[in-house]
Amino acid sequence: DTGVSQNPRHKITKRGQNVTFRCDPISEHNRLYWYRQTLGQGPEFLTYFQNEAQLEKSRLLSDRFSAERPKGSFSTLEIQRTEQGDSAMYLCASSYRGSEQYFGPGTRLTVT
Amino acid sequence: SQQGEEDPQALSIQEGENATMNCSYKTSINNLQWYRQNSGRGLVHLILIRSNEREKHSGRLRVTLDTSKKSSSLLITASRAADTASYFCATEPQGGSEKLVFGKGTKLTVNP
Repeated sequence: DTGVSQNPRHKITKRGQNVTFRCDPISEHNRLYWYRQTLGQGPEFLTYFQNEAQLEKSRLLSDRFSAERPKGSFSTLEIQRTEQGDSAMYLCASSYRGSEQYFGPGTRLTVT
Repeated sequence: SQQGEEDPQALSIQEGENATMNCSYKTSINNLQWYRQNSGRGLVHLILIRSNEREKHSGRLRVTLDTSKKSSSLLITASRAADTASYFCATEPQGGSEKLVFGKGTKLTVNP
């Protein structure tokens, strides 16, 4: 399967804990994006990378959120001190410049 | 914030009928993309139309773009029960950012 993959698919955590998600993009894509989607809404942009450089971050990305793409391949999104409002689907996508963004299956986070 | 507004919010039709969904947006764009999302799953890319294009076809899908009205439409012809899903339009704003800005989506139900 050469699509975008995300792990884990589901994560249940207690408030205050840290969580980390991983995204593996399509191998030849140099752009990687993170979005968050809550129930009944469309995805909202969080951040994106071109190779290993993080080029843009949304205001939605508070200080508790950090994303990395250390070698320009896979990326991780970490949420520290999780809050109930962080419960959402976290989606990763990859692309070439100016082309379609292809999405992974998402990681569903539930904070209890 | 979400730029796109899909209309209608929900649409229910019989198999074999055509389904039309509309999208309006607020700012100038590089391109507009339509995605499908089955319940609780990742987004599947359907079609991309660039700002200098007016119409595009892919199989049973037809997309139009009117940049003067800042609107787009997605037509699905000869619908099938498997087309039941939420459909989102996403715009890539002009100005250098490569993020996609999504609407809230149209929930399409195709009854067998």
